Amino acid sequence: DGGITQSPKYLFRKEGQNVTLSCEQNLNHDAMYWYRQDPGQGLRLIYYSQIVNDFQKGDIAEGYSVSREKKESFPLTVTSAQKNPTAFYLCASSGTINQPQHFGDGTRLSIL
Amino acid sequence: GQQLNQSPQSMFIQEGEDVSMNCTSSSIFNTWLWYKQDPGEGPVLLIALYKAGELTSNGRLTAQFGITRKDSFLNISASIPSDVGIYFCAGPPANTGNQFYFGTGTSLTVIP
Repeated sequence: DGGITQSPKYLFRKEGQNVTLSCEQNLNHDAMYWYRQDPGQGLRLIYYSQIVNDFQKGDIAEGYSVSREKKESFPLTVTSAQKNPTAFYLCASSGTINQPQHFGDGTRLSIL
Repeated sequence: GQQLNQSPQSMFIQEGEDVSMNCTSSSIFNTWLWYKQDPGEGPVLLIALYKAGELTSNGRLTAQFGITRKDSFLNISASIPSDVGIYFCAGPPANTGNQFYFGTGTSLTVIP
């Protein structure tokens, strides 16, 4: 099936640790995105990538890092610099940057 | 970031009733998208609108791109229990390049 796969579904982090969230798509989309969703709120953009080897900061990039070495993969690292990392993280992709985005099922990150 | 205001914030309706919700912004939008999110899952695209005044249907759902380009409306006719979820509007403001912004969501509860 074509789609966007996020893993793991649930992730727990200790204080001071970096963690990496996986996002893979087999839709042959050029653009990929990471959003953060807090309870009762909308989605806020962390990073996006228009094409392989390129990415741009969104509104809340501090404490996060990404890479885009392959077209189908856009991993997100939540670093220890992110002081409030507990949230639901959503990955999305679109054919090109200005087309509607399609989402994975999310990763819920919690702090131990 | 851009502010997309959705109204109402939450709705409790009887099965079979029609539903109306809207999304407004102080900025002009080039595209309006409507998504539905079920608990613990990623948003799913329902309808995409591309020009002012456009009216588009998807089954029992109908959405309109406001003629001022600063608002959009979503109607659901004859609601059923599986309509329960959070509905988000989204789009790229005309003056901010390609970044999409999401509304705060309308939570819909359908009482059987």
